[in-house]
Amino acid sequence: GESVGLHLPTLSVQEGDNSIINCAYSNSASDYFIWYKQESGKGPQFIIDIRSNMDKRQGQRVTVLLNKTVKHLSLQIAATQPGDSAVYFCAGVNTGGFKTIFGAGTRLFVKA
Amino acid sequence: ETGVTQSPTHLIKTRGQQVTLRCSSQSGHNTVSWYQQALGQGPQFIFQYYREEENGRGNFPPRFSGLQFPNYSSELNVNALELDDSALYLCASETITGELFFGEGSRLTVL
Repeated sequence: GESVGLHLPTLSVQEGDNSIINCAYSNSASDYFIWYKQESGKGPQFIIDIRSNMDKRQGQRVTVLLNKTVKHLSLQIAATQPGDSAVYFCAGVNTGGFKTIFGAGTRLFVKA
Repeated sequence: ETGVTQSPTHLIKTRGQQVTLRCSSQSGHNTVSWYQQALGQGPQFIFQYYREEENGRGNFPPRFSGLQFPNYSSELNVNALELDDSALYLCASETITGELFFGEGSRLTVL
């Protein structure tokens, strides 16, 4: 079946350190993978996406890596800040069916 | 700000009742999707509407139904509420590449 999962439910990092959040997926039909950030009381917010024909994409302080061989992607946050504290979801998108499948999420805690 | 507005933000219903949740978008995107997010879980796809027609559905029973209007606003209706329907219901306008712009959700509690 389709699934997108996370390796760890919580991650705690020191302010200023780099954070790495990992995600595994099983559905090879996904055309895109998107990382979303959800702060308390809010809906998920787009962070960065990556096409399935890419293996790396960089944004502002964030980098997404995609390894299709092992069906794994990761989100790297550089110089983590307190405002980065949130739940992070990876999501696989099948643009043919416009169906987005979310993982269960990883809660990131940033210690000052 | 995503430009997606949902109402109500919170509501309490009892088992067997019906509920209507509303969503409006300023984005002009003609595709809207609804998700159910249980506590501590990722959002689960309910269905998607494109130009007022249902365009895909997740693993939810028929008592979950929806509407999309010509101005692309949308409703989610749930009949015969069950305790397990308690969740955050998220509406998202969707781009052609599948990027979702979420509202802040309607938190439903079923007693």
